[in-house]
Amino acid sequence: QKEVEQNSGPLSVPEGAIASLNCTYSDRGSQSFFWYRQYSGKSPELIMFIYSNGDKEDGRFTAQLNKASQYVSLLIRDSQPSDSATYLCAVNRNTNAGKSTFGDGTTLTVKP
Amino acid sequence: GAVVSQHPSRVICKSGTSVKIECRSLDFQATTMFWYRQFPKQSLMLMATSNEGSKATYEQGVEKDKFLINHASLTLSTLTVTSAHPEDSSFYICSAREEYQPQHFGDGTRLSIL
Repeated sequence: QKEVEQNSGPLSVPEGAIASLNCTYSDRGSQSFFWYRQYSGKSPELIMFIYSNGDKEDGRFTAQLNKASQYVSLLIRDSQPSDSATYLCAVNRNTNAGKSTFGDGTTLTVKP
Repeated sequence: GAVVSQHPSRVICKSGTSVKIECRSLDFQATTMFWYRQFPKQSLMLMATSNEGSKATYEQGVEKDKFLINHASLTLSTLTVTSAHPEDSSFYICSAREEYQPQHFGDGTRLSIL
């Protein structure tokens, strides 16, 4: 079992829909959680981070964390074709210290 | 804020050449920097973690004599691929973190060894 698991996709949604990306992790002691977006041929870009159970919203993005169930998700509202990318989930054992463990990513395609 | 600059963006060189890649945090002090490698359509692979002023911690299977990392200051880390061969061709990405902040990535270096 991988430490951080994501559905590789591809996940395809129509423009304007909500895209839901999920991530599960195995280390129950994990403290901080991150979502990165990576366009093809480019490096990852930080979108959201979350430390506490519940929801955290930033514009069209909402991160959801449930430590009891060991999953973190990313919702993208009003999806746009420019959101088409690979989304990487990353998990840290410490709050912003030490290395992150990355999932393999979910590829999202938003169709016009 | 939190800008990480990585140079060069692309390198093409002959087999046996050593290549140095620089990673700079432009607007913050990076207590920790990370070096990753990514092959086409594959996931990020962490190569090493470096803290300013101390030796880098390499991941299992990464040759420390092949991939030399220097983190001489709070804003600069370098990765040198020594005696590079075609199998070292890859996308190398650095990231940097300020204390208690998320890590931010540089734009990456595409290395092609002929």
